[in-house]
Amino acid sequence: LAKTTQPISMDSYEGQEVNITCSHNNIATNDYITWYQQFPSQGPRFIIQGYKTKVTNEVASLFIPADRKSSTLSLPRVSLSDTAVYYCLVTYSGGYQKVTFGTGTKLQVIP
Amino acid sequence: DADVTQTPRNRITKTGKRIMLECSQTKGHDRMYWYRQDPGLGLRLIYYSFDVKDINKGEISDGYSVSRQAQAKFSLSLESAIPNQTALYFCATSDSTGTGIQPQHFGDGTRLSIL
Repeated sequence: LAKTTQPISMDSYEGQEVNITCSHNNIATNDYITWYQQFPSQGPRFIIQGYKTKVTNEVASLFIPADRKSSTLSLPRVSLSDTAVYYCLVTYSGGYQKVTFGTGTKLQVIP
Repeated sequence: DADVTQTPRNRITKTGKRIMLECSQTKGHDRMYWYRQDPGLGLRLIYYSFDVKDINKGEISDGYSVSRQAQAKFSLSLESAIPNQTALYFCATSDSTGTGIQPQHFGDGTRLSIL
C-alpha cells in the first residue's frame, strides 16, 4: 500500500478556498486516490475520488498531476461547517481494496 | 450514513466482561468492516467480511471476534474486555459491484469505555 503524507492541520477563514495536498510517492498503476471527511463523533464520509487529472463534484475538486505522486483536495469557499478532519487514501483497485486511514488533516475554519 | 446503524452508541463496562457491538445496514452492500479509532489517530481495521461466508482479519484483530449473521448484519465481540480496548468503533459497508473503487459508508460509531 502506498503511504500518504498530508499536513497535520490547517486554518482558513470563512469564504476562502482551501487546498489540502497529499503526497503519495509510491502510488501504483492500479491505485485510486480517495478523500474522506470526518466530523467529531461521526464516521468518515466519502468526499471525492479520482485516478488522474481533475475530478469535480458538488462538494469539492480533486487535482491529480500526470505523475500521480500527489493530489490536492480543493474546497471552494469554506464555511464553519467544513471544520473537520480530511483523510487522503490510496486504494488498490484489485482484490480486497484495503484502505488505510492515516491521521488526516484537521481543518479549522475561522469566522 | 443513516443506512448504517450501530448499537449501542455508547457503552461503559468493566474489565473482563464480554461485549458485543452490532451493526446493521440497509444499503444492500455485500462488504462490511469494523474499525477502531483512538484519540488523535486514524482508523485501524479490525475485521472485514466480503459476504456472509467470508471473514478476514484486519491489522489489529487480537482480542476481537466477529460474526456475519446475514448480509445486513455484522457484529463485533470483545471476549474479555481490557482497558486498552477503550476506543471509538466504526462499522462500514461497501459494494463490490461497479467499476473502480467503491467508497465505504460508515455508521456513527460506538464509544466504548472499559474501566
